[in-house]
Amino acid sequence: KQEVTQIPAALSVPEGENLVLNCSFTDSAIYNLQWFRQDPGKGLTSLLLIQSSQREQTSGRLNASLDKSSGRSTLYIAASQPGDSATYLCAALDNYGQNFVFGPGTRLSVLP
Amino acid sequence: NAGVTQTPKFQVLKTGQSMTLQCAQDMNHNSMYWYRQDPGMGLRLIYYSASEGTTDKGEVPNGYNVSRLNKREFSLRLESAAPSQTSVYFCASSPPGTGGYEQYFGPGTRLTVT
Repeated sequence: KQEVTQIPAALSVPEGENLVLNCSFTDSAIYNLQWFRQDPGKGLTSLLLIQSSQREQTSGRLNASLDKSSGRSTLYIAASQPGDSATYLCAALDNYGQNFVFGPGTRLSVLP
Repeated sequence: NAGVTQTPKFQVLKTGQSMTLQCAQDMNHNSMYWYRQDPGMGLRLIYYSASEGTTDKGEVPNGYNVSRLNKREFSLRLESAAPSQTSVYFCASSPPGTGGYEQYFGPGTRLTVT
């Protein structure tokens, strides 16, 4: 059974810092891995999706990498801003393309 | 563009009451999903529907039923609510497989069972 973990559970950084969020999964047989942002009391917004055949994806200040062999994905946020404060979740999709397994999330606070 | 919509936004039920959570998407997506989110546990899949007319159990289906009414709508029913079903419920949809199954989420329904 796939298990997804995220470290750290919470992170507080000053504005302008570059930071890395980690996501680990136990079963490397995944179809894709997706990173989401969740603001308090809101739904999830998709940030980046990495197909199993890809190594990384970039969108603006965000870069996500995928290493299937080690069961890891990282989300890199450059030049963090207070508006980046939110919970970040990763989710791995199984090879049948139906079952997403989510990590518990990392709660990020960027201090002005 | 509405995307994925859910009703109601909030609901309080007494133990044993029943209710249906509604979800609709206007993106012509084939697949739809219901999740629950509990503190510290991430999202867990309750049921999903790969296409109109099909439904399958996810990780935590006990106590729930679903209906894929048509391509747009996917409802979640609690027949006899229990306090353990207090949670935030999210509906999601995704396009056909060539798009990589990227998921789009609704705003959620916050359910409290007393």
